Amino acid sequence: QKEVEQNSGPLSVPEGAIASLNCTYSDRGSQSFFWYRQYSGKSPELIMFIYSNGDKEDGRFTAQLNKASQYVSLLIRDSQPSDSATYLCAVNINFGNEKLTFGTGTRLTIIP
Amino acid sequence: GAVVSQHPSRVICKSGTSVKIECRSLDFQATTMFWYRQFPKQSLMLMATSNEGSKATYEQGVEKDKFLINHASLTLSTLTVTSAHPEDSSFYICSASFEGAGEARNEQFFGPGTRLTVL
Repeated sequence: QKEVEQNSGPLSVPEGAIASLNCTYSDRGSQSFFWYRQYSGKSPELIMFIYSNGDKEDGRFTAQLNKASQYVSLLIRDSQPSDSATYLCAVNINFGNEKLTFGTGTRLTIIP
Repeated sequence: GAVVSQHPSRVICKSGTSVKIECRSLDFQATTMFWYRQFPKQSLMLMATSNEGSKATYEQGVEKDKFLINHASLTLSTLTVTSAHPEDSSFYICSASFEGAGEARNEQFFGPGTRLTVL
């Protein structure tokens, strides 16, 4: 079983709709969870992070964490063509300078 | 703030040569730097973690004699791919962090990446 799993997609969403990206992780001791956006040929950029169960909202983005189900998701409201990218879920076990384990990423395409 | 640079951004070399990639934190002191490799349409795979002044910790399956990592100062880490071969062609990305970094408190700040092509 992979440590961090994502549906590779591609996921196509009409412009203006909600894009829903999902991620599951295997280590029940995982403490912090990150969503990165990566454009083709570029390095990842941090979109959201979440530590506690529940929802965390930042602008058009909402991260949802359910530690009991070992599940974290990212919702993008009012999707824009510029949101088209690969979204990487990353998990680390402890706070501090610990390594991140990345999922394989979900490729999202927003259709104008 | 929290800018990380990499040099070079792109390198093409012949098989058997060695290539050095630099990773610099420009406006902060990075106690920890990470090196990742990403093949096309795949995720980032952590190669090693390096702390300033100490030996790097390599992930399982990564040859430490082939991928030499030096973290000589709090702002510079280098990755040297020795005797590069075509299968080493990849996108190499570094990140830098420090305790309490960013709003996330353990955020890694990524460099722009280096595209290595070995002929």
